[in-house]
Amino acid sequence: NAGVTQTPKFQVLKTGQSMTLQCAQDMNHEYMSWYRQDPGMGLRLIHYSVGAGITDQGEVPNGYNVSRSTTEDFPLRLLSAAPSQTSVYFCASSLSLGLARTDTQYFGPGTRLTVL
Amino acid sequence: AQSVTQPDIHITVSEGASLELRCNYSYGATPYLFWYVQSPGQGLQLLLKYFSGDTLVQGIKGFEAEFKRSQSSFNLRKPSVHWSDAAEYFCAVVLNRDDKIIFGKGTRLHILP
Repeated sequence: NAGVTQTPKFQVLKTGQSMTLQCAQDMNHEYMSWYRQDPGMGLRLIHYSVGAGITDQGEVPNGYNVSRSTTEDFPLRLLSAAPSQTSVYFCASSLSLGLARTDTQYFGPGTRLTVL
Repeated sequence: AQSVTQPDIHITVSEGASLELRCNYSYGATPYLFWYVQSPGQGLQLLLKYFSGDTLVQGIKGFEAEFKRSQSSFNLRKPSVHWSDAAEYFCAVVLNRDDKIIFGKGTRLHILP
């Protein structure tokens, strides 16, 4: 299994540009989520999905859109990039939202985004 | 407000010394508790988790954590650190089984040779 993959690893955008961060998992996980990581802020949840066709907002959803057309993929779209969206973005997945003793979240390697 | 706090932003220890990273939560009930590690340029990796039962939890890489209900704490420990333990460590909580995971702001661990 490849686990959780993210592309691209690095991206530079100009203010106002749009782009999509890709996230895919091959573990048949129902739950997927997007976080952003900023210095001194820890990880903050942007959006999450509990299954194909179902998404919901997290702590910091403004400026981002998501969709979940398949179990495997959970892309994050920046509609009009702003410098405040400069961050490292992590995608994560887990078997289910409800936790079990053997459940855990698996994180992708991250995408480092800079908005000029 | 309900939260999870890691009081130390940076901690420096010598290689071979013992380590304790602090984590406190402020919830009315006992949440599910986690420790993650993030090596430079990498995603997060789960070290250990506490759901119920024995309050001393063993994890990977020689780490352990102790849940203390009276202190609302879940501190991470390691008897003897290695240079490869230099990383950022995140405490995280889930309040209810179907809730989202909430991360602390992290503690960056530096190891002196």
